[in-house]
Amino acid sequence: QKEVEQNSGPLSVPEGAIASLNCTYSDRGSQSFFWYRQYSGKSPELIMFIYSNGDKEDGRFTAQLNKASQYVSLLIRDSQPSDSATYLCAVTDKLIFGTGTRLQVFP
Amino acid sequence: KAGVTQTPRYLIKTRGQQVTLSCSPISGHRSVSWYQQTPGQGLQFLFEYFSETQRNKGNFPGRFSGRQFSNSRSEMNVSTLELGDSALYLCASSLPRTSGGGLPSTDTQYFGPGTRLTVL
Repeated sequence: QKEVEQNSGPLSVPEGAIASLNCTYSDRGSQSFFWYRQYSGKSPELIMFIYSNGDKEDGRFTAQLNKASQYVSLLIRDSQPSDSATYLCAVTDKLIFGTGTRLQVFP
Repeated sequence: KAGVTQTPRYLIKTRGQQVTLSCSPISGHRSVSWYQQTPGQGLQFLFEYFSETQRNKGNFPGRFSGRQFSNSRSEMNVSTLELGDSALYLCASSLPRTSGGGLPSTDTQYFGPGTRLTVL
């Protein structure tokens, strides 16, 4: 079992919809989680981090963490074609990244 | 503030050769991490340096090595290149990664543009 797992996708959503990206992790002791976005041919860029159970909102993005179930998710509201990218989940206290989920937002 | 810079951006080598990649972190950042990214394996952690000391190491063979200088610039070296070493090598810098005290690390890693290594 990989330490951080993500569905590779692609996840296709229409413009204006909510995109839901999920990530599970195996180490129950993991404490901090980041979401990065990576456009094709570019390096990852930070979206947000979370380390407390519950929701954390930043603009159109909401990160959700459930330590009991060992999953972290990212919701993107009002999805735009410019959100089309690969989204990487990372367990940063161990510097482990998932393989990413490719999101496609179509007009 | 200038971002993370990596040189060279592209490199073509042949099997058996060695290569050195360079990374200059954001000014004031003292922690530098290296990652290998391939389509099949995703982003894999190689090692992390802080204050010229290797603080963490991933699960890569000894052919992969690195070092950090007193100005926080870092280099990684790959000896005896293999075809499977073809990848995008990313460097990320951050302020000193917090650890201990029961607090989770929230240090943001800022990635450089990467070096695309092709081994023929």
